[in-house]
Amino acid sequence: NAGVTQTPKFRILKIGQSMTLQCAQDMNHNYMYWYRQDPGMGLKLIYYSVGAGITDKGEVPNGYNVSRSTTEDFPLRLELAAPSQTSVYFCASSPSAMEQFFGPGTRLTVL
Amino acid sequence: DQQVKQNSPSLSVQEGRISILNCDYTNSMFDYFLWYKKYPAEGPTFLISISSIKDKNEDGRFTVFLNKSAKHLSLHIVPSQPGDSAVYFCAASGGVTGGGNKLTFGTGTQLKVEL
Repeated sequence: NAGVTQTPKFRILKIGQSMTLQCAQDMNHNYMYWYRQDPGMGLKLIYYSVGAGITDKGEVPNGYNVSRSTTEDFPLRLELAAPSQTSVYFCASSPSAMEQFFGPGTRLTVL
Repeated sequence: DQQVKQNSPSLSVQEGRISILNCDYTNSMFDYFLWYKKYPAEGPTFLISISSIKDKNEDGRFTVFLNKSAKHLSLHIVPSQPGDSAVYFCAASGGVTGGGNKLTFGTGTQLKVEL
């Protein structure tokens, strides 16, 4: 089991560019989540999904979009990147919405 | 509104002694609590959890205590080891109105275990 994988590990974007952060899990978990972590802060929920075809907003969804066409994949799309989106992004999956398994993170810088 | 609070951003403890990390919450709908550990450049990993029907849960060197009336939980690590040096996040989950599908995280406490 690879667990939760995220690509890329690092990325630098220019203001206004777009990109997709990839997340995949091979544990057949229904629940998947996207978080961002800013320096000195906790994890803030961006979007989550309770199953394929179902997504919902978290605490900080503005500037992001998600889709969940399969159980395994949960990509996060950034449109029109802004410096405020500079952060570390973590994807997680869970069988039960309780204990969540996290990927290694994507460090994104927007200049 | 920070519903889960970890008021100590850092804690330094000597090897072999007890580490006590604290967490307070404000949402009375939270009924399940977790602790995660995070090393630099890695994702958080699950450490231990507790349901609101219990007041204590142990797993080896790690014990979590829950005081529902005070809306307070703590993580005890005994004995502390240098490998325990990491950021510890407290997280909470609730029923339908408390966000049962989601976790709310605290801001974390950096634990440093010194030789």
